[in-house]
Amino acid sequence: GNSVTQMEGPVTLSEEAFLTINCTYTATGYPSLFWYVQYPGEGLQLLLKATKADDKGSNKGFEATYRKETTSFHLEKGSVQVSDSAVYFCSRGPTGGSYIPTFGRGTSLIVHP
Amino acid sequence: DTGVSQDPRHKITKRGQNVTFRCDPISEHNRLYWYRQTLGQGPEFLTYFQNEAQLEKSRLLSDRFSAERPKGSFSTLEIQRTEQGDSAMYLCASSPEGGVSTDTQYFGPGTRLTVL
Repeated sequence: GNSVTQMEGPVTLSEEAFLTINCTYTATGYPSLFWYVQYPGEGLQLLLKATKADDKGSNKGFEATYRKETTSFHLEKGSVQVSDSAVYFCSRGPTGGSYIPTFGRGTSLIVHP
Repeated sequence: DTGVSQDPRHKITKRGQNVTFRCDPISEHNRLYWYRQTLGQGPEFLTYFQNEAQLEKSRLLSDRFSAERPKGSFSTLEIQRTEQGDSAMYLCASSPEGGVSTDTQYFGPGTRLTVL
């Protein structure tokens, strides 16, 4: 089937720590991959995306590389800030004539000063 | 503000009542999506419009759920005979014309439904 699996949270880090949030997907074909972020009290917004294998999406110090061989799109940041505290959603775009995007369940990140 | 807007932001209703939610996408975005999100879960796809055409509705949760986008601009999601299990956040998102698989979605703030 088509699904997205994210590591469970919450992930709790101290400021300036290294962040990894794992995401793997299943799909027929080669979907585009996305990370969306939801800050407290706000709607989901795009953080970064990659549309083909080996592409690296980056934004606000976050990065994720589209790994076809491991069907993964792990999110990383070298030094997190308190303001990065939010819920992060990995998403897979439609493939094979479908119109249906799929989202992971979200990973909550809490960054302490 | 030219983002996606949803109305109402909160709705409390009694079991068995009908509710209707509205979504106004970013102007000129021809793609529109509805999702349901429950606590601790990601958005769950419900239906998709391209302009006024509803191209995917197989994931609407039951025949109590229906959606329209009559003029290809705003959209409505209706739930008839609400049940307590319908309590959730209902999200709307829009995308500009382009590749359906590659486009970024722009989300509204959601409508939180509580069924008593």
